[in-house]
Amino acid sequence: EDQVTQSPEALRLQEGESSSLNCSYTVSGLRGLFWYRQDPGKGPEFLFTLYSAGEEKEKERLKATLTKKESFLHITAPKPEDSATYLCAVRGVYNQGGKLIFGQGTELSVKP
Amino acid sequence: NAGVTQTPKFQVLKTGQSMTLQCAQDMNHNSMYWYRQDPGMGLRLIYYSASEGTTDKGEVPNGYNVSRLNKREFSLRLESAAPSQTSVYFCASSPSYNTDTQYFGPGTRLTVL
Repeated sequence: EDQVTQSPEALRLQEGESSSLNCSYTVSGLRGLFWYRQDPGKGPEFLFTLYSAGEEKEKERLKATLTKKESFLHITAPKPEDSATYLCAVRGVYNQGGKLIFGQGTELSVKP
Repeated sequence: NAGVTQTPKFQVLKTGQSMTLQCAQDMNHNSMYWYRQDPGMGLRLIYYSASEGTTDKGEVPNGYNVSRLNKREFSLRLESAAPSQTSVYFCASSPSYNTDTQYFGPGTRLTVL
């Protein structure tokens, strides 16, 4: 069964304190791994798609990396506006209709 | 470009009542999806429509029906609401079901008493 586990569940950082969020996954053939950002009361906002081990993508203070078993979302020198819940999802090659399997998310809080 | 829009934003129902959640996208996407988000459960797929005229069950379809009204609109109907359907519902769309990135709407927060 395809599964996604994110850790930690919650992370509190001081402004400027870099850290990483983890997404471990099991899937029967990875088609893609996705990172979304979700602000309270809003829908998930797309950040990155990673397709193969070794791939990396960056956007401002965020960098996503992928191995065969997990993905990391590195946050460099975070600012309070980076506070949000970060969701990881996978799509397997055998998933019908574009079904994404989501993790439960990591709630990030960045204090000034 | 509004992206994906959903109505209503909030709704309170009594057990047994019915309602329809509306979703529309203006990105000319072929595929549309309905998810529910519950604390501790993550986002789970209810139904999807790979293209206009087709719909298929996702992970948690029981108690729901859908209609792909046209290419833009995809509605979710609760025929007889139950407290277990209290959740936040998100609609999403993608260019096609072979195109991986899905874009989400703002959500509908539903409470069933």
